[in-house]
Formats: sequence, structure tokens, C-alpha cells
Amino acid sequence: DIQMTQSPSSLSASVGDRVTITCRASQTIDDYLNWYQQKPGKAPKLLIYGASSLQRGVPSRFSGSGTGTSFTLTISGLQPDDFATYYCQQSYSAPQLTFGGGTKVDIK
Amino acid sequence: EVQLLESGGGLVHPGGSLRLSCAASGFNFNRYPMSWVRQAPGKGLEWVSAISGSGTSTYYSDSVKGRFTMTRHNPLSTVDLQMNSLRVEDTAIYYCTKNPYDSGDLPYYFDSWGQGTLVTVS
Repeated sequence: DIQMTQSPSSLSASVGDRVTITCRASQTIDDYLNWYQQKPGKAPKLLIYGASSLQRGVPSRFSGSGTGTSFTLTISGLQPDDFATYYCQQSYSAPQLTFGGGTKVDIK
Repeated sequence: EVQLLESGGGLVHPGGSLRLSCAASGFNFNRYPMSWVRQAPGKGLEWVSAISGSGTSTYYSDSVKGRFTMTRHNPLSTVDLQMNSLRVEDTAIYYCTKNPYDSGDLPYYFDSWGQGTLVTVS
């Protein structure tokens, strides 16, 4: 199975900060990497698919990059609505899909 | 607008069974693979199972293979998850999810999620 490791597991940031979350795969997954945002008590929401494609309706301050085994999610100018937990997910080994452990972004 | 509405969660003893259902609307249901994704209390996300648009192919994580069965009824736009031999570690919120495009048999990622239904095994 492909293991997905996110870092950090949590971070504190201020409104307006640039935030970067890293996701690493245990083997190459090309660009089969997707990112989700989850707020407490809510279902996850798709942000980025195919490593760097922005899902329709998602603000442009969210961006994704990377290929192979190393990927990043960047939030350029953190907004109050962005405090949440973020998950990466690989689809290279579909149908066996795996998620990272999550990164919680809270207010400094 | 895509809507996914889960039902059937509840409290069950270890070794017991439960059947979850998901009613879908707002899209051409029989063209899209569907999946169940779960989240244990305070934990991360775990893909559990998937079914092709036609319903002829099903896929399971190793943690539930042989115990869970996923089915779909396209005329009614529903998917079910029959869960047998439940364990304490199956306790989680179970989300019904939709693949974002007609990918044939396989699920890839999830562009729509239901609100989830809580399964407690205790």
C-alpha cells in the first residue's frame, strides 16, 4: 500500500500569512494527488485535484504543486475561513486510495 | 445541485450488523463510481469501499474486506453498505462520496460528500 505522510501535523498561523503544507508518498504517484479541507463537524471539501488543478469555486489563494513523491498545498494570504484541517489523498493506486494523516491549521 | 444523504447509522454490539444507505440526486447517477469514506472520532480519513457506475465491480480496503458489501440500485439512485462482523475499530462517521467524473470502474477522488452517518460499535 502507498503511505501518505503529511507535515506538519499542526501549525499556528495568523490571518494574511502564507501557509505551506507538505505531503509525501512512500513511492512515486506521478501527479495523482488531491487535497481536501475539513472544518469541525463538517464533511471534507475538495480543493485541489491532479496535484495542481483548482476545483471549481475554490479561491485562488489555494494552490498545489509537486510530482512524484513530494507535494505541497499553499495558502497565499490566510483568511479566517481557512482555519481547518487539510488532508492529501493519492489516487495513483486506484481503487486502493489512501489519505495523509491531516494537518490542522489554527489561529496563532 | 448534487446531494448525498446517508442513513442507517447507530449503535451496535461487536459482531453485529448494520446497513447504511445513501440517496443521491442532482447528477446522472449510473455513470459515476461511488465510495464510502470513514472517519473515526478525532482521527483522519480512511477510504472503505467503492463501486463502479454499473455496479458490476466493487472494491474494498483490507480492513473491511470479507465483512462489508457495497451495492447500488441505479433506478433508485442509491448505494448501500452492508456491514457484518462489526468491530469496535469500525466506529466512525461514514461518508457517502461521488467520483468527480465518469471514470468507468474506478474511483479516483471525491468532489461531493454527504453529511455522514455515525456508526458506534460498543
